[in-house]
Amino acid sequence: GAVVSQHPSWVICKSGTSVKIECRSLDFQATTMFWYRQFPKQSLMLMATSNEGSKATYEQGVEKDKFLINHASLTLSTLTVTSAHPEDSSFYICSARDASGSAGELFFGEGSRLTVL
Amino acid sequence: AQSVTQPDIHITVSEGASLELRCNYSYGATPYLFWYVQSPGQGLQLLLKYFSGDTLVQGIKGFEAEFKRSQSSFNLRKPSVHWSDAAEYFCAVGAFTGGGNKLTFGTGTQLKVEL
Repeated sequence: GAVVSQHPSWVICKSGTSVKIECRSLDFQATTMFWYRQFPKQSLMLMATSNEGSKATYEQGVEKDKFLINHASLTLSTLTVTSAHPEDSSFYICSARDASGSAGELFFGEGSRLTVL
Repeated sequence: AQSVTQPDIHITVSEGASLELRCNYSYGATPYLFWYVQSPGQGLQLLLKYFSGDTLVQGIKGFEAEFKRSQSSFNLRKPSVHWSDAAEYFCAVGAFTGGGNKLTFGTGTQLKVEL
């Protein structure tokens, strides 16, 4: 199956710094990628839809100035957590849709665990 | 708006026993339904999906799920559980919007397998 890779898989940062997480589709082109956030022992909450070459669409309640999303190419989307605070600590997961593959199927990255001290 | 309910937060079964994980959904049209499995600290792996057609769907690792429109359910089953099946299982319903897939996830069911 198609592979989606996230980097870094694990990051610790100081409060007030910014952290960038990359999501790459390794063997397919993804015009649309999705960013999810997962709190411990909870479900995944969709944060935003990332569209190649255009602005991301954020879900209600998600601060777009805090969670910057860039989808510069058909294989790469980045999520930047700006001025991170401890409450931003979470597991962030991206997914991508293979436009040429089975309709509706999303492939998920391995996730990136962010810990803000 | 779509929603998914997984009534069981935790389930414990003995290895070799059968398994059924419940999922109920709410969606205004014909739903696209998915089951994903997540091991600790890992991303999600697709077990199976339902878009249309046969309501009994076969997936990977010996899992199957049955779509029951009258009950708004999409329960996941496995006839004989293996210890390696211990993980978190998520049911999701999808909406296709402008070429993208917006998935809404249930809260998950943690499966523990006793040897």
